[in-house]
Amino acid sequence: RKEVEQDPGPFNVPEGATVAFNCTYSNSASQSFFWYRQDCRKEPKLLMSVYSSGNEDGRFTAQLNRASQYISLLIRDSKLSDSATYLCVVNQNAGGTSYGKLTFGQGTILTVHP
Amino acid sequence: DTEVTQTPKHLVMGMTNKKSLKCEQHMGHRAMYWYKQKAKKPPELMFVYSYEKLSINESVPSRFSPECPNSSLLNLHLHALQPEDSALYLCASSQMTGGEIFSDTQYFGPGTRLTVL
Repeated sequence: RKEVEQDPGPFNVPEGATVAFNCTYSNSASQSFFWYRQDCRKEPKLLMSVYSSGNEDGRFTAQLNRASQYISLLIRDSKLSDSATYLCVVNQNAGGTSYGKLTFGQGTILTVHP
Repeated sequence: DTEVTQTPKHLVMGMTNKKSLKCEQHMGHRAMYWYKQKAKKPPELMFVYSYEKLSINESVPSRFSPECPNSSLLNLHLHALQPEDSALYLCASSQMTGGEIFSDTQYFGPGTRLTVL
C-alpha cells in the first residue's frame, strides 16, 4: 500500500462546478498535512495546510480525519485558473528519529473547461 | 516574502561535464532541501540541510554532491551524470520553528530543468 494515496483523475469539470479530492495516508503517526498545487512545468506551491478542525480559504476547504487517516480538498465555483495537479502531502513520522519526512501523493489532475 | 530562487532555469549538459545548481532564500529558514521530479511524478527528496549541516541523504548517487556555503545558499554539484538524471530539480526551504526538520511548511523554488545528453 502506498504511504499517501490519491485518485490520479483526471477530473474534467465545467467552470462553476464543485469538485472534491480525497487522499489517504498509511502512517497513523503523521503530524502535518498539506495541499499543494502544481501547474505544468512549474514548482509546487502551497495551497493550504490542513488541520483537524478543518479550514477554509475562499473557495477552498480542507478537512482532516485522523481516525480514518483521510484528507480532503473541496473546491467550489471552479475557475479555469484552478486547472493544475493537486498534491496531497503528509509529514510522516520517521519512527525512531527526531524528525518526520514529507511524503507526496501521486497528484490529482484537474482540468476546468469553459 | 516567501521566495526561493534557483539558477539556472534550464541546463543542458553532457555526461562528462561538471555543473552546479544554485538555490537561495532570504527568509531566515534554517532547513533547505533538494528534490528531483520526473515528468508526471511527485517530487522525490534527495538531501536535507538543517542549520547548514547535511541531515539527510536519501541514498543519492555520489555524482550528486550538495553543499551549503551559508544559511541562505544551497548548491548541488553535478558530475558524470547519466541521461536518466534528466529531471526538474527543485530546491525548498522551511523555517524549523519547532526545531524539527519537515515540521513547517516548505516553500519551493521554480526549479532547474536539467537535460543530460
